[in-house]
Amino acid sequence: GAGVSQSPSNKVTEKGKDVELRCDPISGHTALYWYRQSLGQGLEFLIYFQGNSAPDKSGLPSDRFSAERTGGSVSTLTIQRTQQEDSAVYLCASTDWPQETQYFGPGTRLLVL
Amino acid sequence: DQQVKQNSPSLSVQEGRISILNCDYTNSMFDYFLWYKKYPAEGPTFLISISSIKDKNEDGRFTVFLNKSAKHLSLHIVPSQPGDSAVYFCAASGDAGNMLTFGGGTRLMVKP
Repeated sequence: GAGVSQSPSNKVTEKGKDVELRCDPISGHTALYWYRQSLGQGLEFLIYFQGNSAPDKSGLPSDRFSAERTGGSVSTLTIQRTQQEDSAVYLCASTDWPQETQYFGPGTRLLVL
Repeated sequence: DQQVKQNSPSLSVQEGRISILNCDYTNSMFDYFLWYKKYPAEGPTFLISISSIKDKNEDGRFTVFLNKSAKHLSLHIVPSQPGDSAVYFCAASGDAGNMLTFGGGTRLMVKP
């Protein structure tokens, strides 16, 4: 079946603008995760959704970052008032919880000028 | 403080030989470990995993070994192929939400 998809694949924005990144998880997967990989860094956890439970936002770096998941499927990660340090690859993963293997999308490459 | 570390940023191996990628962790609560492979401009691709109740898991050319007492795991690829050239990440989970903690990655280059 189809894997995790993300859009856009690339996004260039100006400092101070808001951006929205979209993730479509694998159909039927109940858990969805956002990670990011900054240049020269490893992947870091941002936020996690599981079913109808309140999301785990413990990895969000600042209150400029937020995410929602509508209908238990598609998720949108929003970054307000983007800064240059937000430039990174933003990766989405999903799993059929409580399975622990996460499957990743191709990522959105965000560049803040 | 890095809870998962891959101390070798790069590894070069001749085609047909064994590649051994290493990973160390510090959090004793981790109970599930995974290896992902990543090509440039693509997302990580799941390779193989191991639960803390096992010490070895094998899938074709890939074998993961877990040494809980040493908090160390390794990925063996044998025989190595040029198409295996990529960045390999180890990851661990153990929290209720199963979020992954990643190592910094090891770039594997398999020379023909």
